[in-house]
Amino acid sequence: DADVTQTPRNRITKTGKRIMLECSQTKGHDRMYWYRQDPGLGLRLIYYSFDVKDINKGEISDGYSVSRQAQAKFSLSLESAIPNQTALYFCATSDSAALKNIQYFGAGTRLSVL
Amino acid sequence: AQSVTQPDIHITVSEGASLELRCNYSYGATPYLFWYVQSPGQGLQLLLKYFSGDTLVQGIKGFEAEFKRSQSSFNLRKPSVHWSDAAEYFCAVGAASGTYKYIFGTGTRLKVLA
Repeated sequence: DADVTQTPRNRITKTGKRIMLECSQTKGHDRMYWYRQDPGLGLRLIYYSFDVKDINKGEISDGYSVSRQAQAKFSLSLESAIPNQTALYFCATSDSAALKNIQYFGAGTRLSVL
Repeated sequence: AQSVTQPDIHITVSEGASLELRCNYSYGATPYLFWYVQSPGQGLQLLLKYFSGDTLVQGIKGFEAEFKRSQSSFNLRKPSVHWSDAAEYFCAVGAASGTYKYIFGTGTRLKVLA
């Protein structure tokens, strides 16, 4: 089983719909991240959380919200999806106790907003 | 401003040929440096990392990278490319302290000719 699991793997939705992407991890890491990947732009950070009570905006947080339900779960929500949110979304985790902040990624969720 | 530049969007090499993917960074503090690979339909897998010490680091799948502080570069190399190396490669910089966020380059897509 994957250490960092993202669900769903693929999703097609319509403009204006609310959608939630979920991430769960079995690595026991305290830090979790959400990125989006767009062709030619690499990965950009949406939100990150250093523990359940610590949530921070990344460079492109507008139009997104997150919830850290437990140390192992970090969800990304699009309250009202729009077509330019069509992208590949990645969740990642890291362990602050390991000091080096190596991030481990899930397999991604491909989202299409029509 | 902090940034990571991967100047080559696409690279095509023949199987068995050598490979070098370029990465340059601009970072005010001491950086941690990473290379990740994204195979088609897969998440990001860590190839190698540099924190300190020996500037030539070895990674998985026969890859290596050399940190050159004077050139602000962290180029990825492989002596002999295999068809299975076809993928997208991302260079990333992380802080050695503080927020530990990553900054990703825009990626280099590698095509391998049989």
